[in-house]
Parts: sequence; C-alpha cells; structure tokens
Amino acid sequence: DVKVTQSSRYLVKRTGEKVFLECVQDMDHENMFWYRQDPGLGLRLIYFSYDVKMKEKGDIPEGYSVSREKKERFSLILESASTNQTSMYLCASSTWRGGWNGYTFGSGTRLTIV
Amino acid sequence: GQQLNQSPQSMFIQEGEDVSMNCTSSSIFNTWLWYKQDPGEGPVLLIALYKAGELTSNGRLTAQFGITRKDSFLNISASIPSDVGIYFCAGQLTGTASKLTFGTGTRLQVTL
Repeated sequence: DVKVTQSSRYLVKRTGEKVFLECVQDMDHENMFWYRQDPGLGLRLIYFSYDVKMKEKGDIPEGYSVSREKKERFSLILESASTNQTSMYLCASSTWRGGWNGYTFGSGTRLTIV
Repeated sequence: GQQLNQSPQSMFIQEGEDVSMNCTSSSIFNTWLWYKQDPGEGPVLLIALYKAGELTSNGRLTAQFGITRKDSFLNISASIPSDVGIYFCAGQLTGTASKLTFGTGTRLQVTL
C-alpha cells in the first residue's frame, strides 16, 4: 500500500522554537507539497518541490522554509514558531508518470504553538 | 493566491437524502478533482475530471466538469453515516504543472 507518512500526528511547541515537520513517501514521486489547513480557509499551499534540492514558494511561504535532500523526504521548517502558525499541516506527493492523477496525502500533523 | 469558492460551507442532512455541492472559479482549469477528508485523516481522492462537460461516477458519487471550465459539481446519492467528512474540490490551472488549488471545503454531517 503506497504511503505518505508524516512523522507526528500531534505536536506542541513553544513560541520562538525552530520546528521541523517531516514527510516521507514511498512511491518514488517527483513532486512533493506542504499545505496548511485552517477552518473556513481550506488548504493553502506553503511550499512545493519538483525534484531533489528544488523548491518553490506557494501562496503563503512567509515564516516557513523547506528542505528536500532526498527524493522521498520533504521537510517543512518553522524558523521561529509563532501562535498564528497553529494549524493542521498536510504533506502530499504526486507524479506525472503513467498519467497524472492528483495528490496522495499524509494523515496530517496538528501543530499547536503555545 | 487564488482559492476556489465552494458551497455550501456546511450541511446537515438526513440519512438517505441526496447531497449536492459545487465549486466555482474565476479562472479556467484543465483538471478538476474532488477529495474527501475523514476526521483526523488526510484528504483522499474521490473523482478526477479531465475534460469540459465530463460526467464521472464512483459508486454513489457523481461529479461533473463544467462546460465553461470554471466550475464543477459533486452529487452524493442516498447518503449514509460514513459520508460524514469534509469534501474539497481542487483545480489545476493550465500551465502550472501539477500544482493544485483547493476549495474552502464543504463539511457534511449526516443524521440518522
């Protein structure tokens, strides 16, 4: 069963901390994405990557950075966590091989900044 | 960044009723998708639409790609309790490779 795995389901961190959210996929997908989900706002794209060591800003990149050193792993970094970054974070991957068929999502990380 | 307008935002329905929700955009999309998110989980793909006017079914679910390429509809027939969740539409803009834009979601709750 193909999977996108996010390292933590729930995380509580303090304001000002550097926070790492990890995502690993086992489908050899070239594309990976980080979204945040907030009530009434749907899913908003933070960063995405089309290949190893490549990254592009999404719609709301401020306060975040990413790292993709290996094809299967895409990390989201909150440089200095703030309370307005409390949210559900979703990682996804996709591929164009064999025809494009949308994203496969992880189960999400619910992050609370206190 | 652009977001899709999805309606209704939430709905309570009785088991056995049919459900309709829709998504509109000011931009043209070349692909529309519908996802469902169960509580505590990530979204899962329900239906993908690739051509304007296309009507596609997946069990009790039917979705349509609008002729103008700026809207899409999802219908659920004879709802059951496990249909509870958040439904998201998503569109792919021409020329943006695999990047998707998501709607704001429709929260569906089913009462017995």
